[in-house]
Amino acid sequence: NAGVTQTPKFRILKIGQSMTLQCTQDMNHNYMYWYRQDPGMGLKLIYYSVGAGITDKGEVPNGYNVSRSTTEDFPLRLELAAPSQTSVYFCASTGGANQPQHFGDGTRLSIL
Amino acid sequence: GQQVMQIPQYQHVQEGEDFTTYCNSSTTLSNIQWYKQRPGGHPVFLIQLVKSGEVKKQKRLTFQFGEAKKNSSLHITATQTTDVGTYFCAGPNAGNNRKLIWGLGTSLAVNP
Repeated sequence: NAGVTQTPKFRILKIGQSMTLQCTQDMNHNYMYWYRQDPGMGLKLIYYSVGAGITDKGEVPNGYNVSRSTTEDFPLRLELAAPSQTSVYFCASTGGANQPQHFGDGTRLSIL
Repeated sequence: GQQVMQIPQYQHVQEGEDFTTYCNSSTTLSNIQWYKQRPGGHPVFLIQLVKSGEVKKQKRLTFQFGEAKKNSSLHITATQTTDVGTYFCAGPNAGNNRKLIWGLGTSLAVNP
């Protein structure tokens, strides 16, 4: 089992560019999450999904979009990248509420 | 709003010394989860506590859940360099248990 796989691992963007961070899981988990983690800080929830076709905003959704067309995939779209979006992005999944979350290795994104 | 606070924010210890981090919630929690994030890594689930007053051990790590289910602690006996990292606690969002409320973490440095 690969678990949660995120691509790319690293990326540098110019201000105003857009990109999609990919996340896929092979554990048949219904719940998936996108977090961002700024240096030395905790995790902030961007968006989450409780199943295919269902997405909800977290604490910091502005500047991001998500979709969940399949159980396995939960891509995060950045439109018009801004320096404030420089961060490490983690995707996580879980089988349900109150169950442990499994994290991907993260995408380290710099916007210059 | 609901908050989960962790203290201390940072801790430096000599190898072999004990270490404790504390987690305090503004609301009663149905359960609490602990995660460890190694430098440059992703959060990894350690344990979940559910019952009032519960104590669980994993080798040198002892986890406690308070009687009121509003606080928790992680104690490491005789720290080793492999214990270096940031320890996070997280509890379910009271209004929506599909989301976790995360503490900001305690970063542990161990001097060999």
